[in-house]
Amino acid sequence: AQSVTQLGSHVSVSEGALVLLRCNYSSSVPPYLFWYVQYPNQGLQLLLKYTSAATLVKGINGFEAEFKKSETSFHLTKPSAHMSDAAEYFCAVSPYSGGYQKVTFGTGTKLQVIP
Amino acid sequence: SQTIHQWPATLVQPVGSPLSLECTVEGTSNPNLYWYRQAAGRGLQLLFYSVGIGQISSEVPQNLSASRPQDRQFILSSKKLLLSDSGFYLCAWNTKGALGYTFGSGTRLTVV
Repeated sequence: AQSVTQLGSHVSVSEGALVLLRCNYSSSVPPYLFWYVQYPNQGLQLLLKYTSAATLVKGINGFEAEFKKSETSFHLTKPSAHMSDAAEYFCAVSPYSGGYQKVTFGTGTKLQVIP
Repeated sequence: SQTIHQWPATLVQPVGSPLSLECTVEGTSNPNLYWYRQAAGRGLQLLFYSVGIGQISSEVPQNLSASRPQDRQFILSSKKLLLSDSGFYLCAWNTKGALGYTFGSGTRLTVV
């Protein structure tokens, strides 16, 4: 079974400060890992995904994440927070099932950006 | 271009009433389709997925059912709603072999 744990249900940062959202995964097979962002009352949007091609993954809106197998982590970072980054962020994991994909999501981290 | 539509956006239903939520995808054929439910503080729970017309897999036993009457149409139903069915329901799709989903805008269901 695959799972992800997001540390911190709420994170607050000042505008211009580093954003760090933590995610640890558990997987019995090499995983595919994802970060999604959700704005209020909207669906989720894919920020980035790890597919084993490179350990440092760059996504949209200036976000990136680094896959660290030794730490079973896939933390999301952004050098400088912007007010528009305020949203809920979900880490997710999936095995590859040969055609379809069953993605398991974490419980989410709400990011507050303080002006 | 490929788009996903979900409706209605919000719904308030009494306990014991039926439910039908619809999701359609445009611009692709034979997609994988998924229904997720999001409850406060609990992340997203996969309810059903479908790899083709008439093929439905259920992830958790519950008061809901799903159907795929057409290639790009996915319907979530219930005969009698419970209070515990309240939540934010999200439809998603991807192509065969793709990694990651595209989500619809969701339906907020409140059972009263």
